[in-house]
Amino acid sequence: SAVISQKPSRDICQRGTSLTIQCQVDSQVTMMFWYRQQPGQSLTLIATANQGSEATYESGFVIDKFPISRPNLTFSTLTVSNMSPEDSSIYLCSVGGTYNEQFFGPGTRLTVL
Amino acid sequence: GESVGLHLPTLSVQEGDNSIINCAYSNSASDYFIWYKQESGKGPQFIIDIRSNMDKRQGQRVTVLLNKTVKHLSLQIAATQPGDSAVYFCAARTGANNLFFGTGTRLTVIP
Repeated sequence: SAVISQKPSRDICQRGTSLTIQCQVDSQVTMMFWYRQQPGQSLTLIATANQGSEATYESGFVIDKFPISRPNLTFSTLTVSNMSPEDSSIYLCSVGGTYNEQFFGPGTRLTVL
Repeated sequence: GESVGLHLPTLSVQEGDNSIINCAYSNSASDYFIWYKQESGKGPQFIIDIRSNMDKRQGQRVTVLLNKTVKHLSLQIAATQPGDSAVYFCAARTGANNLFFGTGTRLTVIP
């Protein structure tokens, strides 16, 4: 499986600011995804990051709040904009495997004060 | 869409015993299922998957069983070890690439 890294691993941010999370993969992948995992809960898909086109967002998530970039087949960023304490979560990127499985990065632990 | 649930939020087992973690899903069109293990402070780790045309698949110390009739799958871990302590998630895919995750079961292995 691919090796996936995320930066930063954790951050503490002030309300109203924005944070950009990076996801880097060690090989080219077609599918990349961004998830949110709120404290003690399961994973919710935010969007599919499409290379060369706009991300596909799930219900309840919008581009203005979570802009995503996917400049090539090994890299993507997720920005959490105008943060509030409710945005405190773990943000995870994943990549699609050969047989529809998904492999996850280590996550970015975000705390908004 | 899909709704994926787990039967128990926590499970404690003695080291060396077998563990069984259960999961129910709602959409009969779900065609692919994955079990993940998430240790504290880490991202989910792929354990094993199964397609809807199968009812059983085995890996190293793990077995996944799928019962499409009752929309239920289980993860069996043989000879559970302390390193197996984690939260386990099942995930189901319906149609496109999106995975719907269950709420997770926290497995605690008692030495």
